[in-house]
This record gives sequence, structure tokens and C-alpha cells, in this order.
Amino acid sequence: GENVEQHPSTLSVQEGDSAVIKCTYSDSASNYFPWYKQELGKGPQLIIDIRSNVGEKKDQRIAVTLNKTAKHFSLHITETQPEDSAVYFCAATNQAGTALIFGKGTTLSVSS
Amino acid sequence: GAVVSQHPSRVICKSGTSVKIECRSLDFQATTMFWYRQFPKQSLMLMATSNEGSKATYEQGVEKDKFLINHASLTLSTLTVTSAHPEDSSFYICSASAGAGNTIYFGEGSWLTVV
Repeated sequence: GENVEQHPSTLSVQEGDSAVIKCTYSDSASNYFPWYKQELGKGPQLIIDIRSNVGEKKDQRIAVTLNKTAKHFSLHITETQPEDSAVYFCAATNQAGTALIFGKGTTLSVSS
Repeated sequence: GAVVSQHPSRVICKSGTSVKIECRSLDFQATTMFWYRQFPKQSLMLMATSNEGSKATYEQGVEKDKFLINHASLTLSTLTVTSAHPEDSSFYICSASAGAGNTIYFGEGSWLTVV
């Protein structure tokens, strides 16, 4: 089945800096790659997603890039703010093309 | 945007009892719903996938007789933890989709504490 690796597990940046989180996946048939932000005690919130027919997608300060050949995708947050502090999860579809398999998460801390 | 609602958000039950968690899609028809379990400071682990009107597909290692999943309508799925034990205490999260290729939305999660 699908396996998703995520790095780093923790990331600390100063306010205004950029943050990059990287994920790799194992199943070349995966075609949907969302990123979720999870705050303590709450469910994950979708922040951006990308499909395998697109290489890059941007939404204001957040961008995601996908390299299908290398089977990796990355989340880029620019001009980070303290409210960006949370746990971020990448995910990929499994072989059935529906259920999401998650990476282990990255705890992002943005200090002012 | 789409909203997925879970109830209850927190529940405490005694060992040996059963507890039911509901997951509702509020503004779309969820042909597929997923149940995840998350321990503190860990990732979400897929427990099962349920399609409306059919039996759930459980992931390896998840006991189907312990975690009963029902998806009787296009807007409601339920997870029943039967004969709960303290080790079942966890954060349970559902997600829903209008089908393969559609965005998957998550509920706010349900904290289960078994005492």
C-alpha cells in the first residue's frame, strides 16, 4: 500500500521567514496530494491540494510543488506569522484512489 | 465551503460499555466516509472506509467487531466502539467525500476517554 514520509518532524522559524515541509510517497498511482493544518484538539483543515496533472499551485502565502518522477511534494509557506504555528500533515491517495494516507506530521513553530 | 460535523466532540464512558460517534456531511452527499484514529502527537491512522449502503472496508489490524461502522445514508456514518477499554481512548476523526476524485473534508474530531 501507499507509504508517505514527511520531513522535518519539527520546524522552528522566525516570523517573516519561509517554511518548507517535504513529503515523499511510494505509490506511483497516487494522484491527489492535499496538505492539512491541525491545531491542538481539532480536526485537520485543508489548506491546499494538488493533483498529479499539475506541478505547482499557489494560494497567497502558501504554495505546493509536485515532482511525480521523484514522487515527492512540498509545502512552502512564505512570510510566516505566529498564527501559522500548528501541526501540518501531507497526505496522498492510496491505491483505491479515495482514502488518504497521512505523513507523520510537522510541528511548525513561528516565533515573533 | 463543505462542512462535516461530528458528535459528540467529547465523551467519557466506562470500561465495557459501548459508545457511538456520529459523522454528518452538512451540505453535500457523502458517498464515501472514512474513519481515522489519532493518538496524542501522532498522525492520523486510517481505520476504515465506508461507502453508503455497503459494508465498511477495514484496514489491517482494525477489529471490525469492535469498531462497528454504519453508513446508512448519504449524509450520516456512525462509528460504535463496542466493549470499550482504556486503550481505546483516542481522538477519532471522520472525513467525507462525494466520491473518488473529489475533495475530502474532515470533521472536528471526537475525543473518547474510557475510564
